Amino acid sequence: NAGVTQTPKFQVLKTGQSMTLQCAQDMNHEYMSWYRQDPGMGLRLIHYSVGAGITDQGEVPNGYNVSRSTTEDFPLRLLSAAPSQTSVYFCASTTKGGNEQYFGPGTRLTVT
Amino acid sequence: AQSVTQPDIHITVSEGASLELRCNYSYGATPYLFWYVQSPGQGLQLLLKYFSGDTLVQGIKGFEAEFKRSQSSFNLRKPSVHWSDAAEYFCAVGPYTDKLIFGTGTRLQVFP
Repeated sequence: NAGVTQTPKFQVLKTGQSMTLQCAQDMNHEYMSWYRQDPGMGLRLIHYSVGAGITDQGEVPNGYNVSRSTTEDFPLRLLSAAPSQTSVYFCASTTKGGNEQYFGPGTRLTVT
Repeated sequence: AQSVTQPDIHITVSEGASLELRCNYSYGATPYLFWYVQSPGQGLQLLLKYFSGDTLVQGIKGFEAEFKRSQSSFNLRKPSVHWSDAAEYFCAVGPYTDKLIFGTGTRLQVFP
C-alpha cells in the first residue's frame, strides 16, 4: 500500500491563480480530510468527507473547494489563490470507527 | 468552544533526561485524544491515542500519556529522551479519529 499520497510536494502560485492539490489513498478509507498547517497555529481542518459524494466544511473552509467523486481521491481546489493561503497542506484518511488517521506527506504552497 | 492548549511552545532537554509535554483540552463530549510527532519537513506520525479504559496509554518510541479527566489533560511523557526525539509534538482531540482539533505544537530540542 502506498498509503496517502499528495501531489505536488511544492508549488508556487501568483495571486489570483487557481490550482488543485491532489490527494489519493489506497486503503479504501471512507473518511478523508484536508488540513492546513501554519507556524504557531498547528493544523486546522479545511474540509472533510465521510464518503463519495459527501463533503462538509471544517474550521477554515473559505477560499477552498472540494469534491469526492471516488473513495480514493479527494482533491482540494483553490479557485483564486491569495497570499493568506501560503501554508503546508496535509491530506488524511481513516476508516469509520478506525483507530488512527493517516496523513500524507504534505504539499508546501507559496502564493506570491 | 472546543480547543486544545499546548502551553509550551519550545522545550529543551538534555539527552537522557525525562520529558513531559503538557496538553489541556476543552471538549463538550468524551473526547478521543491523540499525540502526533512531526520531524522537520515530514508528515505526522501517531505516537499514541486514548479512546477509553486505562487512563495511562503506551505508545511507540517509549512514549506514554496519561488522561486526567478532572484536569482535562493528556500529558505526554518519556523517561529518557534520545537525540532522535527532537521534533515537533502535537496534541489533538476529536469526536472520533477524524475531524481533529490540534494544539499549536511543542518543539522539542535535545542537547547531547
